[in-house]
Amino acid sequence: KAGVTQTPRYLIKTRGQQVTLSCSPISGHRSVSWYQQTPGQGLQFLFEYFSETQRNKGNFPGRFSGRQFSNSRSEMNVSTLELGDSALYLCASSLGSTAASSTDTQYFGPGTRLTVL
Amino acid sequence: QKEVEQDPGPLSVPEGAIVSLNCTYSNSAFQYFMWYRQYSRKGPELLMYTYSSGNKEDGRFTAQVDKSSKYISLFIRDSQPSDSATYLCAMGDTDKLIFGTGTRLQVFP
Repeated sequence: KAGVTQTPRYLIKTRGQQVTLSCSPISGHRSVSWYQQTPGQGLQFLFEYFSETQRNKGNFPGRFSGRQFSNSRSEMNVSTLELGDSALYLCASSLGSTAASSTDTQYFGPGTRLTVL
Repeated sequence: QKEVEQDPGPLSVPEGAIVSLNCTYSNSAFQYFMWYRQYSRKGPELLMYTYSSGNKEDGRFTAQVDKSSKYISLFIRDSQPSDSATYLCAMGDTDKLIFGTGTRLQVFP
């Protein structure tokens, strides 16, 4: 079974631009969660989507948004990029039987490394 | 104060050593405790998952949870160079899952 895939793997943008990242979950998984990982803050939860609906949201500004399609693939968008948005963005998929993935095993993709100049 | 605190390391040990990785937390509502391993340029992968106080063993890995002290540990016996990675603790309740910042471990031959 193929794992979680994320595209692109690396991205360089400049301040003020916007970016869209894509995530394809493991076949059969209906929940997709997005995380931001930085050396200082670690892994921080952005949001979770289940059956095309946002089921949970972390404490990030509205510049960060996402969506999920009927085939469970998900995209996240960051508008008006800031230098502090430079990070590894990780997507994780799970079956989705429980909210917030607290008891569902999450399978992470390799991440998209975003650099904002 | 962060809900989950984890020593960032790095921790450097010789092959064969016993490694102890630790996290403390402040939220007594946390019920689920996990350890993830993250290799360079990869996403985290689940190593251990437990929801009760006490020890859980899986091969060379032992996860320990002490809810009264709000302290969890991961022990790695007979450490190998292939164990070199960043180890993240994670814990949560029914509403959220919080990750530690990760401890970088290097096992040298």
